[in-house]
Amino acid sequence: ETGVTQSPTHLIKTRGQQVTLRCSSQSGHNTVSWYQQALGQGPQFIFQYYREEENGRGNFPPRFSGLQFPNYSSELNVNALELDDSALYLCASSWTANTEAFFGQGTRLTVV
Amino acid sequence: SQQGEEDPQALSIQEGENATMNCSYKTSINNLQWYRQNSGRGLVHLILIRSNEREKHSGRLRVTLDTSKKSSSLLITASRAADTASYFCAPHNNNDMRFGAGTRLTVKP
Repeated sequence: ETGVTQSPTHLIKTRGQQVTLRCSSQSGHNTVSWYQQALGQGPQFIFQYYREEENGRGNFPPRFSGLQFPNYSSELNVNALELDDSALYLCASSWTANTEAFFGQGTRLTVV
Repeated sequence: SQQGEEDPQALSIQEGENATMNCSYKTSINNLQWYRQNSGRGLVHLILIRSNEREKHSGRLRVTLDTSKKSSSLLITASRAADTASYFCAPHNNNDMRFGAGTRLTVKP
């Protein structure tokens, strides 16, 4: 049990819709990162937030956006969903960008 | 790229044997981390080794780091069926960790 919780655990959306995934960081952690993991692949870095500011971004289009709140919880928003967005989305929190990360159990998103 | 690349892609051993997984990367790092993932679930942090360290132990885990060769290895001794999982290395520099495709370890009872 890492103390990082994600909601919902599973979600089915239709192509073209928008989705918001949520993450509650471990207490005291001010850095949160989001990853997309397709079946059989490693997690792909989407972006990172540090103290409510974006602190790095992977190779994902602008329709992937995020927020980090003053209590360090976070959201991942994906607009105009595509079939290829179907994946496990993982949130990880850490004390700083350079320390060990604690992952949530993920949200399984299916786009039909 | 600071992305880690694990080798082999898959490894199958008998319970009680040792398992060795390797990781290579291409840029300078602050630290390198190893994670385990059971099927379809979140990643679990195993060990962090800093760039000025050469070896680190945690229980049955032994990690080495060779920054001159830009490589790391993870050794699991006396493996158990419960060690069956995917293992990822994550070279870390500044802001983020970038994972490779992982090594899929199967430990047969």
